[in-house]
Amino acid sequence: EAAVTQSPRSKVAVTGGKVTLSCHQTNNHDYMYWYRQDTGHGLRLIHYSYVADSTEKGDIPDGYKASRPSQENFSLILELASLSQTAVYFCASSWTGNTEVFFGKGTRLTVV
Amino acid sequence: GDSVTQTEGQVALSEEDFLTIHCNYSASGYPALFWYVQYPGEGPQFLFRASRDKEKGSSRGFEATYNKETTSFHLQKASVQESDSAVYYCALGDRASSSFSKLVFGQGTSLSVVP
Repeated sequence: EAAVTQSPRSKVAVTGGKVTLSCHQTNNHDYMYWYRQDTGHGLRLIHYSYVADSTEKGDIPDGYKASRPSQENFSLILELASLSQTAVYFCASSWTGNTEVFFGKGTRLTVV
Repeated sequence: GDSVTQTEGQVALSEEDFLTIHCNYSASGYPALFWYVQYPGEGPQFLFRASRDKEKGSSRGFEATYNKETTSFHLQKASVQESDSAVYYCALGDRASSSFSKLVFGQGTSLSVVP
């Protein structure tokens, strides 16, 4: 079965600190995504990638960086965490085109 | 840009009630439409999709019909169960199978079903 694994599953970070969220997929999918989930906003796309060593900005990229060192791995980096970045973050993967997107279980990030 | 609006933020029903969650979209092109379901502690899961006007998507007793005229894709189920309690997301994406599909999600509707 398709699998997207996120780590850590929860994290408390200090304002101004650096945070790295990791994602690993065993689906052999080309596309990987980072979404942010907030109550009332649903899921919003932060960054995505369709090939290793390349990332693209999504709809809300400000304050976030992404890294795709291999097809299987995709990281989200918050260089200077802020209170407004407290949210649940989901990694996902898919084949190209309008195919099913597979999500991980999410990372709950709390910035204090 | 493209957008999806779900009218209901929360829905509370009893078991065996009929469910409707309203979804309307705004898109510059001719999108594919999706429903995803998210159970507590899990990521969203694909429920089904429809790619053209009047096409019906369905899965696990849920269904929705693509209506291009009213730009809608309302989710329905005839008889809900407590196990259907979850958050439901409507989304749109690109119809072309060879192109990148960035999903645009609605705000989500939290369904609570009591026995």
